[in-house]
Amino acid sequence: AQSVTQLDSQVPVFEEAPVELRCNYSSSVSVYLFWYVQYPNQGLQLLLKYLSGSTLVKGINGFEAEFNKSQTSFHLRKPSVHISDTAEYFCAVSVPSGSARQLTFGSGTQLTVLP
Amino acid sequence: NAGVTQTPKFQVLKTGQSMTLQCAQDMNHNSMYWYRQDPGMGLRLIYYSASEGTTDKGEVPNGYNVSRLNKREFSLRLESAAPSQTSVYFCASSWRGLEETQYFGPGTRLLVL
Repeated sequence: AQSVTQLDSQVPVFEEAPVELRCNYSSSVSVYLFWYVQYPNQGLQLLLKYLSGSTLVKGINGFEAEFNKSQTSFHLRKPSVHISDTAEYFCAVSVPSGSARQLTFGSGTQLTVLP
Repeated sequence: NAGVTQTPKFQVLKTGQSMTLQCAQDMNHNSMYWYRQDPGMGLRLIYYSASEGTTDKGEVPNGYNVSRLNKREFSLRLESAAPSQTSVYFCASSWRGLEETQYFGPGTRLLVL
C-alpha cells in the first residue's frame, strides 16, 4: 500500500516570503499526484495535479509543484505568499488498485501567513 | 450550480443513536465518495460509488453503510453511533475515477457523546 508523508505539520511564514510545503510518497507504480487546499470551515478544493507530461505543474493562486520521480516527491511552492493563503494543504497520491485506482491523502500542512 | 451539498452541517448524537448524512451533486458526476477527517490524519475514505448502483468499501468502512440512491445522491448511515465516529465528514464527487479532480462539499461536523 502506498503512503503519503507531509513532512511539516505547521509552516509559519511572513507575508510576501516564499514558501515550500513538502510531500513525499512511497509507491513504485504509476502515480497521479494532487495538492488540495482547505480554507477554515470549508471543503477541500484542487490546487493542482500531475497526471503525466511536464514535471512542473502550475496551479491556481500562483502555486506550482514539481514531480520528482527519483526522490518520490511532489513539493508545493509559491514565490510570494499572501495573508489569504493561510489554510491547510493536503497532498494526495492515486495509484492503480485492481481495475480502479486508490487515493491516499497526507495528514496535512497548516500554512499560516503572518503580517 | 450548487456543486456538492451536504446536510446537516452539524449534528450531536448520543452513543447508540442512528442518523443518515445526505449528499447531492448537480454536476452529473459518475463517482461519489464519503471521507472522514480527523486531526492529524488527513482524509480517510469510508465508501465510494464508482457509478449509480455500485458501492465499494474504502479504508475505514466499519460502522457505516451507504446508499447510492440515484446519480445525484449518495447517503452515509451510522446505524449505532460511537464516540469514535466523532469527526468531520466530507462528501465528494468526480467525473469518473480517482484520477479525476474531486469536488468536495462543505462538510458535516458530527459529535457523538
